[in-house]
Amino acid sequence: QKEVEQDPGPLSVPEGAIVSLNCTYSNSAFQYFMWYRQYSRKGPELLMYTYSSGNKEDGRFTAQVDKSSKYISLFIRDSQPSDSATYLCAIPDSWGKLQFGAGTQVVVTP
Amino acid sequence: GAVVSQHPSWVICKSGTSVKIECRSLDFQATTMFWYRQFPKQSLMLMATSNEGSKATYEQGVEKDKFLINHASLTLSTLTVTSAHPEDSSFYICSASTGPLDGYTFGSGTRLTVV
Repeated sequence: QKEVEQDPGPLSVPEGAIVSLNCTYSNSAFQYFMWYRQYSRKGPELLMYTYSSGNKEDGRFTAQVDKSSKYISLFIRDSQPSDSATYLCAIPDSWGKLQFGAGTQVVVTP
Repeated sequence: GAVVSQHPSWVICKSGTSVKIECRSLDFQATTMFWYRQFPKQSLMLMATSNEGSKATYEQGVEKDKFLINHASLTLSTLTVTSAHPEDSSFYICSASTGPLDGYTFGSGTRLTVV
């Protein structure tokens, strides 16, 4: 079993809709949680970085962490075609190595 | 913000030759650099972890003699794919970090095609 699970999608939404992404993880010792966006043939770009349970908002992006359920979420409000990309959740393990989810491909249609 | 520069972005080489990929942290000193490989429509696969001045630690199944990693300074790490073969064709990405609290910054990736 992978340490971080993520539905690979694809997830298709109309422009303006809310995109909801999530990951589950197995190690209760994980403390830091990240979301990256990756466009085709580019390196991942950090979107959100959270610590412990709760919500964090940055513009149209909201990250949620529920440590009791080992569940993390990313919401994108007012989605735009430019948000079409692959979104990866990533969690550093005790060795400092990032454990990635499979990545969810998001397509926002005009 | 933190910037990691990776070059080249795209390279084609003949089978049997070697290719070097550079990864530089431009505005910070990276304690640790990571090298990943990514196949189409898949997530990133960690190849090795390198700390400045010490030997890289390779993940299981990664050939250390084929993928040579050098981390000569706190701002530069290189990955050399030696005696490349078509099956080495892939997207290679580096990442630099000063620790989990500060996050991980990725380079833009290198698309390697071996013909």
